[in-house]
Amino acid sequence: DGGITQSPKYLFRKEGQNVTLSCEQNLNHDAMYWYRQDPGQGLRLIYYSQIVNDFQKGDIAEGYSVSREKKESFPLTVTSAQKNPTAFYLCASYGGLNYGYTFGSGTRLTVV
Amino acid sequence: AQSVTQLDSQVPVFEEAPVELRCNYSSSVSVYLFWYVQYPNQGLQLLLKYLSGSTLVKGINGFEAEFNKSQTSFHLRKPSVHISDTAEYFCAVSDRRSNFGNEKLTFGTGTRLTIIP
Repeated sequence: DGGITQSPKYLFRKEGQNVTLSCEQNLNHDAMYWYRQDPGQGLRLIYYSQIVNDFQKGDIAEGYSVSREKKESFPLTVTSAQKNPTAFYLCASYGGLNYGYTFGSGTRLTVV
Repeated sequence: AQSVTQLDSQVPVFEEAPVELRCNYSSSVSVYLFWYVQYPNQGLQLLLKYLSGSTLVKGINGFEAEFNKSQTSFHLRKPSVHISDTAEYFCAVSDRRSNFGNEKLTFGTGTRLTIIP
């Protein structure tokens, strides 16, 4: 079955460390997105990418970085510059108007 | 730019009672409208969407929503809820323009629906 795989499901990080969240899709979608979810704030867009080797900042890109070297993969790095990284992170892809958006099952990052 | 307002952060409802979750949006351009459901520690699942045509849209699990352009609303309804409907519900919009980069979703802050047995 086609879909989006996010790993790991739970991630713990010490303060001052960078950490990379994985997002892989086998849907052949061009566009991919990273959202951050905090209680009471809904989902906020971190970065998005429409094609390989191109990506754009979303609303809350500070302290994050991404790469898009392959169509299938869109990893997100949470850097030590992100002041409050504890959150639930969701990856999504877009397959056009009729197909719509597909979301991964998320990664819960906790800073300890 | 678009914005989405979900005024009710929490809605408790007795089982088998009807429910309405409210969503209002603001946009300078025409938009597509979506409702998603999220169960604990999971991703988002599409309930329904409005792209064009009839303003009453039917989705999965017995949910429906009505697009009201004059009131810029897209409220979600279900005539009789079940325990399994307990979840968080998100309203979202995206830009109708087909220009590169306009497909991204803007979400509301969510409504937590709790079904009381």
